[in-house]
This record gives sequence, structure tokens and C-alpha cells, in this order.
Amino acid sequence: GAVVSQHPSRVICKSGTSVKIECRSLDFQATTMFWYRQFPKQSLMLMATSNEGSKATYEQGVEKDKFLINHASLTLSTLTVTSAHPEDSSFYICSARVGSGQPQHFGDGTRLSIL
Amino acid sequence: GDSVTQMEGPVTLSEEAFLTINCTYTATGYPSLFWYVQYPGEGLQLLLKATKADDKGSNKGFEATYRKETTSFHLEKGSVQVSDSAVYFCALSVQDSNYQLIWGAGTKLIIKP
Repeated sequence: GAVVSQHPSRVICKSGTSVKIECRSLDFQATTMFWYRQFPKQSLMLMATSNEGSKATYEQGVEKDKFLINHASLTLSTLTVTSAHPEDSSFYICSARVGSGQPQHFGDGTRLSIL
Repeated sequence: GDSVTQMEGPVTLSEEAFLTINCTYTATGYPSLFWYVQYPGEGLQLLLKATKADDKGSNKGFEATYRKETTSFHLEKGSVQVSDSAVYFCALSVQDSNYQLIWGAGTKLIIKP
């Protein structure tokens, strides 16, 4: 149980392209989903927290116009990297949880490479 | 603020060796504690957790005990395998921060045959 599917697993695209990453909870309803960014050999950096039906809460230093988050349903959240540039290349990971105090369950991550 | 400190890696061991990865924390509230594992190229998987003092989390031969007196949650395994090679993250969550996860830096474990 508690499976989170993240798609795509890898994206390679040209600078200036917008890229959408999907995060789905397959066997549970997620009231909250999280988006992280992980740099090589580093820990996870929380980018934003999204609750179903409301605007995402972004961490300090994360551009909300650059990283658009939509949490349209209890099983789906999307992260759109708008007008991506090489410095946006990274490993992006989503997680979902049923409710406060419950463990987060993670997707397998998306490797984004901007040429 | 709340924080998690893990031992630096990489930790390199031979197969069947005993493993300890140290984790200590500071928290203003009463945290829940977690160990997550990340295999190469993958996302994170919850390995084990403990929600109150003296709780022992266990899974796949790994164990960790919530020690309030020493503010620690060390990860142990009696006999490691090559397939245990991964990065291990210690984390905590507290109610005051809406149960967001506070992460340690991660410890890379390399098991040699």
C-alpha cells in the first residue's frame, strides 16, 4: 500500500521549454503533497507544500511563477517548470501523505535535464 | 530550530558486517522520527519510524530505537548485504511545523562483497 507514482522519470528538453511533472497517489487519498528538489549528493530541499483545492505554500527562495504547482484532486498534484533553463536541471521528487502526523510516501523522482 | 545531524559518509563495509549509522536531533516539540532509504536513481522509501520515546522501529533487518534521553535514533543492522548499498536519510517531524519533514544530510552506505 501507499504507492506514489511520479511521471515522467526522466526528461531531456531544450532551454525555454515548459515541463510538467505529475505525482499521483495510487491507493490512498493525499490531503497534502510535497515537492522537493535534490542536488547531486545532497539532501532534499523542500520547494513547496500543496493541499488539495488550495494554493501551494512555497518555501523561501522558491519562485512561484517559475515552479507552478497544482493540486487538483486528492490523488494528483502537478509541478510545471516554466521556461526551463539549464540551472533548473535537477532531480525532483514528490511525496504525499494521508494527513498530518502520517508518514510521507515518495515517488521515484524525475530527472530533469535542460540543454 | 529543529534539526537532524547524521554521521558523514560514505560508510564502507564488507558484506555481513554490523552497521550503525548515527543520527541525533534537536526539536522543540515531541518529534516523530524516521529513516528513509534512497537507492541509486530512485526516490525515497520509508524504512522505519518511531513516534514516541523507547519505541523501536524495524524493517528488513534494520532497527532504530527512539532515545529521548540522548536525542538519538541510530540505525543498525546486524549483517549487511550488497543490496543494502544506498543513501540513508534520518528525518523528524513535529506538530508545530505542520509535520513537515526535517532532513539529515544523508549517509551513503557502500557494501563490498
